[in-house]
Amino acid sequence: GAGVSQTPSNKVTEKGKYVELRCDPISGHTALYWYRQSLGQGPEFLIYFQGTGAADDSGLPNDRFFAVRPEGSVSTLKIQRTERGDSAVYLCASSQGTGESDTQYFGPGTRLTVL
Amino acid sequence: QQPVQSPQAVILREGEDAVINCSSSKALYSVHWYRQKHGEAPVFLMILLKGGEQKGHEKISASFNEKKQQSSLYLTASQLSYSGTYFCGTEPPYNTDKLIFGTGTRLQVFP
Repeated sequence: GAGVSQTPSNKVTEKGKYVELRCDPISGHTALYWYRQSLGQGPEFLIYFQGTGAADDSGLPNDRFFAVRPEGSVSTLKIQRTERGDSAVYLCASSQGTGESDTQYFGPGTRLTVL
Repeated sequence: QQPVQSPQAVILREGEDAVINCSSSKALYSVHWYRQKHGEAPVFLMILLKGGEQKGHEKISASFNEKKQQSSLYLTASQLSYSGTYFCGTEPPYNTDKLIFGTGTRLQVFP
């Protein structure tokens, strides 16, 4: 079946602008995760959804970052007043959501560049 | 809090073996291993659970020492396709939802 998909694949924006990044998880997966990956680093956890609710948002760096998953499937990561330091690859992953060390399957990511 | 991986980089000839280590300063419930090629998504390799259970689907083996809070990934008879950056993702016992990824090990296999 289809894997995790993310759109857009690349996003270039100017400092101060608002951006939305979309993630479409594997069908039937109830858990969805957002990570951020800077060049040469491992993915850094941002937020985790179980169904429609954010079960853990402890990784969001500040209140400019917000994510939603209104119907328990597609999720959108929203970044307000973007800063150059927000430039990174934003990865989305999904899992079955049993809560017991499920395999997380990653999407191809959205490369965000803030000029 | 970020797990430390060693070595940082490995260069191999096809057919050679390699070991990649992942060490955490905190207690662990499980360790997940991923391989990422340049510009691509991380690809799942294996999960090692506290208690010894392993879940994986490739010809790669690994160990998990719960007491030492360490895991090792064993790549035998390496192939060109093994090239990439390997990350361990650790899951603490009190929080089974997010992964804390390690510093990464870059592996290059040459013919």
